[in-house]
Amino acid sequence: GAGVSQSPRYKVAKRGQDVALRCDPISGHVSLFWYQQALGQGPEFLTYFQNEAQLDKSGLPSDRFFAERPEGSVSTLKIQRTQQEDSAVYLCASSTEGVPTYEQYFGPGTRLTVT
Amino acid sequence: DQQVKQNSPSLSVQEGRISILNCDYTNSMFDYFLWYKKYPAEGPTFLISISSIKDKNEDGRFTVFLNKSAKHLSLHIVPSQPGDSAVYFCAATQAGNMLTFGGGTRLMVKP
Repeated sequence: GAGVSQSPRYKVAKRGQDVALRCDPISGHVSLFWYQQALGQGPEFLTYFQNEAQLDKSGLPSDRFFAERPEGSVSTLKIQRTQQEDSAVYLCASSTEGVPTYEQYFGPGTRLTVT
Repeated sequence: DQQVKQNSPSLSVQEGRISILNCDYTNSMFDYFLWYKKYPAEGPTFLISISSIKDKNEDGRFTVFLNKSAKHLSLHIVPSQPGDSAVYFCAATQAGNMLTFGGGTRLMVKP
């Protein structure tokens, strides 16, 4: 079956531009997560949705970052007024209800480069 | 503070030998642990996991060991194959919420 897909795969933005990153989770997966991965580091949590409800956004680094999942499937991560420190790979993951396992399935990521 | 640490940034082993990747954690509330494998330009791929109520889980060539008292887990790959060359991340979660990742270990398996 189809896995998690993300678009675009690569995005170059000039400092100050707004960007929107899209995630299509595995069909039927209730939970959706966004992570940010800087070069040479492990992914770091940004935000979490259960269906359309954003249950945790504690990892969003600033109020320039905003995520939504209005119909409980596709999600968009928006970054306003991009800055160079926003350059990273943005990963989306989805999972079913947890018990008894908590595996998350990742998309290929969007590599954002802010110039 | 880093709640999940992988202290070896890289590991090189000979094909056919055992690869042992290590991971330490500090948060005793973690109740589930996972290993992911990542190739360049791809997202992490789930490999194997273990619940905190177990101390070992095996899947083919891959075995994960958990030592709760030491807050330490390890991934054993036997025998190692060149196709196993990738970056391996350990991750931990509490009740299925967000994953907390280590910094990764790059494994190189030499033919």
